[in-house]
Amino acid sequence: ETGVTQSPTHLIKTRGQQVTLRCSSQSGHNTVSWYQQALGQGPQFIFQYYREEENGRGNFPPRFSGLQFPNYSSELNVNALELDDSALYLCASSTGLTGGSTDTQYFGPGTRLTVL
Amino acid sequence: AQSVTQLGSHVSVSEGALVLLRCNYSSSVPPYLFWYVQYPNQGLQLLLKYTTGATLVKGINGFEAEFKKSETSFHLTKPSAHMSDAAEYFCAVSDLKDDKIIFGKGTRLHILP
Repeated sequence: ETGVTQSPTHLIKTRGQQVTLRCSSQSGHNTVSWYQQALGQGPQFIFQYYREEENGRGNFPPRFSGLQFPNYSSELNVNALELDDSALYLCASSTGLTGGSTDTQYFGPGTRLTVL
Repeated sequence: AQSVTQLGSHVSVSEGALVLLRCNYSSSVPPYLFWYVQYPNQGLQLLLKYTTGATLVKGINGFEAEFKKSETSFHLTKPSAHMSDAAEYFCAVSDLKDDKIIFGKGTRLHILP
């Protein structure tokens, strides 16, 4: 158990809809990162938040957005869903003490999103 | 740009045999290297990481990996496979300049009885 939880576990949406995925980090973890893992692929970095501000972004369009809250929870929002958005979405939290990727990231179990 | 190549999308070994999962990386700056394991329907768990210092890194569950700069490799090994090692393994790379971790496509490890 990593202490990182995600909700919901599974979600089915239709093309064009909007979705919000939630993550609850460990207490004291100021950094949260979101990843998209398509079937048969490794996770791809979407973005990272540190103390409620975006702190790095991967090659994802602006319709992927996020929020981080003071209570160590965070959200990933995806607008105008496309079929290719179907994937496992993982969040990972870290302390942010040393900064960047050298901190150990603790992953949640993920949310499986299916877009029809 | 950084990248990771994992050789073999599927690897099968017999229980008790040596496990060797191969990973090569590309990075223009000194890399930080990671191995993660993913069990079915679960998130990723860090097995081990290399940042600086000793090039042989020991991780959890009896796994270890050796950073070889000359070969740009970071292969994962375990002397004796156990049935519980069956999972997907991901090699990943990052550096101090960038907060993102670049993952390989993964290698599924099958353990034969």
